[in-house]
Amino acid sequence: EIVLTQSPGTLSLSPGERATLSCRASQSVSSSYLTWYQQKPGQAPRLLIYDASSRATGIPDRFSGSGSGTDFTLTISRLEPEDFAVYYCQQYGSSPRTFGQGTNVEIK
Amino acid sequence: QLQLQESGPGLVKPSETLSLTCTVSGGSISSGTYYWGWIRQPPGKGLEWIGSIYYSGSTYYNPSLKSRVTISVDTSKNQFSLKLSSVTAADTAVYYCARDFWSGPYYMDVWGNGTTVTVSS
Repeated sequence: EIVLTQSPGTLSLSPGERATLSCRASQSVSSSYLTWYQQKPGQAPRLLIYDASSRATGIPDRFSGSGSGTDFTLTISRLEPEDFAVYYCQQYGSSPRTFGQGTNVEIK
Repeated sequence: QLQLQESGPGLVKPSETLSLTCTVSGGSISSGTYYWGWIRQPPGKGLEWIGSIYYSGSTYYNPSLKSRVTISVDTSKNQFSLKLSSVTAADTAVYYCARDFWSGPYYMDVWGNGTTVTVSS
């Protein structure tokens, strides 16, 4: 099973700042199989990025994904108030599909 | 607009079987590109994929749950279902159903709101 480790666990930032979230895999993951989700309290996860770098429909361009192999990054260029949430990476290059433990982006 | 809605008992006794149904509206569950999946999230914790099913009945399960999980589909009702047997308190979670794009890439792009299931006597 591929273990995804996200860092940091919590990111404390102010609106307008840049957020950089890391997702590291225990084995190499094909970029096509790396996905990012956003989850707000009491809500279902929302698809943000698939193929490591492709934005899902309706996702603002301040969200971007990058990376390959074992190291992937989600960047939010300028945090908006609605971006404070938990972010999860997910892989399915190898069964079973696994998720990272999440990064909580909180208001500083 | 595609919508998914989970339904089922909110309280299940230990050792019994958890049963949930996901009703798909605004689109057909028989759409060829998609599988249909179940994911759960214990209180205060992260996400765990349970398994996914194609409209033909083909399934993929998380090996950690495979011995206790059955996912089925009813295309006539546009529904798919989850059964998890021999539940314990560790199965207490919010259970989500989702549309599962399954063509490399793999991602879940439409989610239900989730339903809370508590395992307790």
